[in-house]
Amino acid sequence: DAGVTQSPTHLIKTRGQQVTLRCSPKSGHDTVSWYQQALGQGPQFIFQYYEEEERQRGNFPDRFSGHQFPNYSSELNVNALLLGDSALYLCASSLNGAGTDTQYFGPGTRLTVL
Amino acid sequence: AQKVTQAQTEISVVEKEDVTLDCVYETRDTTYYLFWYKQPPSGELVFLIRRNSFDEQNEISGRYSWNFQKSTSSFNFTITASQVVDSAVYFCALRGARRNTGNQFYFGTGTSLTVIP
Repeated sequence: DAGVTQSPTHLIKTRGQQVTLRCSPKSGHDTVSWYQQALGQGPQFIFQYYEEEERQRGNFPDRFSGHQFPNYSSELNVNALLLGDSALYLCASSLNGAGTDTQYFGPGTRLTVL
Repeated sequence: AQKVTQAQTEISVVEKEDVTLDCVYETRDTTYYLFWYKQPPSGELVFLIRRNSFDEQNEISGRYSWNFQKSTSSFNFTITASQVVDSAVYFCALRGARRNTGNQFYFGTGTSLTVIP
């Protein structure tokens, strides 16, 4: 049973650039959530995708956008990168309507903005 | 507003000692869910347990146990006879149940546990 996978593992970008992170959900899951985890902090919710639409969004600027594909995989795009965007980006998948919607996390993508 | 507080930033214990990680939450939802996750140095958050707000039974799983008390809005996690492999950052999280806002998890700032051999 494949778990949540994310790519790439690490990424280094410079200020002003754009980045795309990818996530494949756990087998059988249809919902993908993205979180940003700064060093020493808990994960912060960016947004959630279900049925290829953004269902809920946290307190993040429009520079953060996403997409979900028919196979339930998802992308997170960040434009005009800032130094403060350096963080671990976590993808979590869940099954909609499963009561508690327990989220299962991938290993994350470590983004460094120079 | 939803909020999770983990007041213990770092804890160190000697192997085989028991340790309790505290979690206090705030929510206006009458139905909600509480979670604990473990984050080893590799970075992946590992799901440990889920508890519904209407089920206050404590739970034990091997060396792990959880104490949920609605009266004090707490959901504490105890590791009995700690082992070096328990060293990690532990996060408590809260999820509400409202249709349009209940999809995100609210995480605490985590407790870094170090078990010394």
